[in-house]
Amino acid sequence: DQQVKQNSPSLSVQEGRISILNCDYTNSMFDYFLWYKKYPAEGPTFLISISSIKDKNEDGRFTVFLNKSAKHLSLHIVPSQPGDSAVYFCAASDGSSNTGKLIFGQGTTLQVKP
Amino acid sequence: KAGVTQTPRYLIKTRGQQVTLSCSPISGHRSVSWYQQTPGQGLQFLFEYFSETQRNKGNFPGRFSGRQFSNSRSEMNVSTLELGDSALYLCASSFKGPWGEQYFGPGTRLTVT
Repeated sequence: DQQVKQNSPSLSVQEGRISILNCDYTNSMFDYFLWYKKYPAEGPTFLISISSIKDKNEDGRFTVFLNKSAKHLSLHIVPSQPGDSAVYFCAASDGSSNTGKLIFGQGTTLQVKP
Repeated sequence: KAGVTQTPRYLIKTRGQQVTLSCSPISGHRSVSWYQQTPGQGLQFLFEYFSETQRNKGNFPGRFSGRQFSNSRSEMNVSTLELGDSALYLCASSFKGPWGEQYFGPGTRLTVT
């Protein structure tokens, strides 16, 4: 049972344009969401997070939107740069469980073309 | 501040053997989580340790086990290896839990032949 789903395995965007990566979840107990970026041969690195009490969080070129009624979140990258090319994972946690357990999606490979 | 380190980086084992992977968290971090990454499956949670206690465990068979030492370093062990255990094993540390974000190591690439 995949509780966190990233339905697009890949996305290709032109440099300077907006990249939108989507993520859906099924567990209504999730209350904290994170995005990670992963380059080959490296571990994932934290990008941005959002608590369920918010619907938007912004950090530089990265903005995460949360739609709780639709159980959907998205990551916007504006403007996209070639260095953003990587695999992006969304992850969710149930804060009430008080453990370090994150549920990850399958990942979306973003390619930003110069 | 030094990042999360994992040893070894690469490992080749044969079916039926056992393997032990090591993870050293960021100094001061008490929570260590382990994940398995395989193509098409994303990262799947194995277990998490906090102050030497396992707080949560994922849906993996009992062949997968772990432990944490008093200095927060952690090890995971896989016994009776199967071909399907070939994967990238990632360790992540955080101060107390996922809401403060987790810091990942580079992973150990395990190949079972």
